[in-house]
Amino acid sequence: AQSVTQLDSHVSVSEGTPVLLRCNYSSSYSPSLFWYVQHPNKGLQLLLKYTSAATLVKGINGFEAEFKKSETSFHLTKPSAHMSDAAEYFCVVTFSGSARQLTFGSGTQLTVLP
Amino acid sequence: NAGVMQNPRHLVRRRGQEARLRCSPMKGHSHVYWYRQLPEEGLKFMVYLQKENIIDESGMPKERFSAEFPKEGPSILRIQQVVRGDSAAYFCASSPNADSYNEQFFGPGTRLTVL
Repeated sequence: AQSVTQLDSHVSVSEGTPVLLRCNYSSSYSPSLFWYVQHPNKGLQLLLKYTSAATLVKGINGFEAEFKKSETSFHLTKPSAHMSDAAEYFCVVTFSGSARQLTFGSGTQLTVLP
Repeated sequence: NAGVMQNPRHLVRRRGQEARLRCSPMKGHSHVYWYRQLPEEGLKFMVYLQKENIIDESGMPKERFSAEFPKEGPSILRIQQVVRGDSAAYFCASSPNADSYNEQFFGPGTRLTVL
């Protein structure tokens, strides 16, 4: 069975400092991996996706993530946090044989302090 | 190009009533997915539909919940005889095809409150 684990339920950083949101997955097949962001009372927006091309994936708003097969990880990073980055972030996995259902991590709430 | 549309955005029902949630996919998308988000949790897959067909309903509760995506009109998620535990945000997503490499585009959600 596929699963995804977000290691931190809450992360707090100061504005201008780096962001690291951690995600590990388990899979018997080659996964597609995504990071989505959810602002309060809003829908989900795709930040970036990995689909077996380059292992370092660049997304919107300065975010990027690196797929590490040996560690089964797909951590999300940003060099410098902005106040507008405060939101809930979800690591998501799907597999070609899964009939397209997305499996979501439990989410990481990012707080950015002034 | 309008995104995924859901209505209503907020829905209040009393226990025992029916709730109908609507989802219009993005133009050109024929694949629709429904997810439920309980408070303080991630989204959980409920059902995957194509026009007039249910492809995967492995995440749907066995009773009271049903979904359809007719040839014409929006996809409908119906909850009969709602209970307090049905209070959640329900998100719809769409994609142009079943390729797992493609992202799913999400609507703004319907927040259901059961009194």
